[in-house]
Amino acid sequence: AQKVTQAQTEISVVEKEDVTLDCVYETRDTTYYLFWYKQPPSGELVFLIRRNSFDEQNEISGRYSWNFQKSTSSFNFTITASQVVDSAVYFCALSEARGNTDKLIFGTGTRLQVFP
Amino acid sequence: KAGVTQTPRYLIKTRGQQVTLSCSPISGHRSVSWYQQTPGQGLQFLFEYFSETQRNKGNFPGRFSGRQFSNSRSEMNVSTLELGDSALYLCASSRQGQLATNEKLFFGSGTQLSVL
Repeated sequence: AQKVTQAQTEISVVEKEDVTLDCVYETRDTTYYLFWYKQPPSGELVFLIRRNSFDEQNEISGRYSWNFQKSTSSFNFTITASQVVDSAVYFCALSEARGNTDKLIFGTGTRLQVFP
Repeated sequence: KAGVTQTPRYLIKTRGQQVTLSCSPISGHRSVSWYQQTPGQGLQFLFEYFSETQRNKGNFPGRFSGRQFSNSRSEMNVSTLELGDSALYLCASSRQGQLATNEKLFFGSGTQLSVL
């Protein structure tokens, strides 16, 4: 069965610290897609990144970076020089490559609190 | 371009009642998915609609149903409400509902349902 594990329930840091959110996934599919979403207090899930299983290149977007390692089934997310506005719940998700449907399997989320 | 719109934002019902939630996808998006978010179970997939047809369904009882209209707007209905149905119900849309084609899911802010 497919599964996403975010072992860190809550992380607290002080502004400007770097923080890494862990994500480990399980799947039998050879082709799959991984996502990170941010959920601020407003409730909306904000898309951050999508990674295809056949593309192991790491990605950096401003203060955000993602490390995808197929060998360890991990897709970790690092925020550099964290800011108070980064406070939110972050979800890692895995999709099934079944052709014609959108279905995401989410981890339980990591609540990040950044204090000034 | 307007995002995914969900109405109402908050809803309070009593056990045994039924409820209908509405979702308007991003213009041009034909796939609409619904997710339930609870503190205990996290984010769970309910169902996905494309061109007025349900293409995929999660593991929820028959009390949970949905439909999609010709303009891609979707509604979900929960009949005979139970206390455990209290949750944030999130709607997501995408163009074709095919994550394999590099699509992304865009979420609304959700409807917070409280069952008393």
